Amino acid sequence: GAGVSQSPSNKVTEKGKDVELRCDPISGHTALYWYRQSLGQGLEFLIYFQGNSAPDKSGLPSDRFSAERTGGSVSTLTIQRTQQEDSAVYLCASSLARSGRTQYFGPGTRLTVL
Amino acid sequence: GQSLEQPSEVTAVEGAIVQINCTYQTSGFYGLSWYQQHDGGAPTFLSYNGLDGLEETGRFSSFLSRSDSYGYLLLQELQMKDSASYFCAVHYGGSQGNLIFGKGTKLSVKP
Repeated sequence: GAGVSQSPSNKVTEKGKDVELRCDPISGHTALYWYRQSLGQGLEFLIYFQGNSAPDKSGLPSDRFSAERTGGSVSTLTIQRTQQEDSAVYLCASSLARSGRTQYFGPGTRLTVL
Repeated sequence: GQSLEQPSEVTAVEGAIVQINCTYQTSGFYGLSWYQQHDGGAPTFLSYNGLDGLEETGRFSSFLSRSDSYGYLLLQELQMKDSASYFCAVHYGGSQGNLIFGKGTKLSVKP
């Protein structure tokens, strides 16, 4: 079956603009994660969704960041009033359940804020 | 809080064996995973250790010692295609789903 997909693959925006990043998880996976990876760095946890439970937003760096997951499937990460320090690769991952030890990652969206 | 330490870079030659260490400090430790990421690619799962000891998957093995808060990834018969970044990741909080990643170790395999 298809893996995790993300769109767009690349996004260039101007400082102050809003951006939306999309993630389509693997069908049947109830857990969905967003991470941020700056150049040459590790993965920084942003937010986690599990089924219909309230999301774990503990990793969101500021209130400019928000995410939603509609119908337990597709997720959108929104960054408002983008700043240059938001430039990074945003990775989405899904797993079979909260207890799923294996996370399957999408190819990421490379965001560049000018 | 949670923290992980792993070397930033390792260099080895084709055919050799390399060990990438990972030490961690965390509450509610559940297990340790390893992920591989090639430049420009997505991280892919390599292995998971929930119990002490060695897990072997082909050329790759992973080890965990809970008492020492330490694990390692062992890569044998290195190939050029193994050049990538390797991340250890701690599952914590009593659930396999809560995961924090280390900063990664960049492995360069030379001919």
